[in-house]
Amino acid sequence: SAVISQKPSRDICQRGTSLTIQCQVDSQVTMMFWYRQQPGQSLTLIATANQGSEATYESGFVIDKFPISRPNLTFSTLTVSNMSPEDSSIYLCSAGRGQLTDTQYFGPGTRLTVL
Amino acid sequence: QQQVKQSPQSLIVQKGGISIINCAYENTAFDYFPWYQQFPGKGPALLIAIRPDVSEKKEGRFTISFNKSAKQFSLHIMDSQPGDSATYFCAASMLSGGYNKLIFGAGTRLAVHP
Repeated sequence: SAVISQKPSRDICQRGTSLTIQCQVDSQVTMMFWYRQQPGQSLTLIATANQGSEATYESGFVIDKFPISRPNLTFSTLTVSNMSPEDSSIYLCSAGRGQLTDTQYFGPGTRLTVL
Repeated sequence: QQQVKQSPQSLIVQKGGISIINCAYENTAFDYFPWYQQFPGKGPALLIAIRPDVSEKKEGRFTISFNKSAKQFSLHIMDSQPGDSATYFCAASMLSGGYNKLIFGAGTRLAVHP
């Protein structure tokens, strides 16, 4: 398994600002993923972050709104840019060891509230 | 085609009873089916998973039953305990763009009453 931590655990932000969420894994992993989860709802994949390459975004999510960095095999960041109240959600990162591995381990999430 | 349909949305079970959550899928390219357990304020935790070449997998009180022809799979929690009260997500994985992508069901909120 992999132990994943996220910072911050929660934040309250003003409309129009940006927030960067950090995700740290306790060991090297190939794949890292970012999800959004509305309270009481399911998980929606935002993008996949591979070390050394551009992130791959899912339909409905764009790089200008959710820029992602993956500088090494244990760390990734997701920025939520120019926030609006509709961005209020829980943001989760997950990690998988190999590129073709199915198993993903999740961090505790970052609860974002945009006023 | 990429959807995973999960039911029921919520479930109340008495302590010691059996909790059953069902999921269905359409895309036969899915080849890995995990279940995740999520407690309030926590991230989802992998509970148990199955591949389509097996019809059943059991780990402790948790069992996955898989029906490939019907494209359905279910989670059974035997001897349900109040500590099992959580939200359960089924998921399905398929190779997409060079990596395995998870598609999640809508979730089932389980409450086990003492």
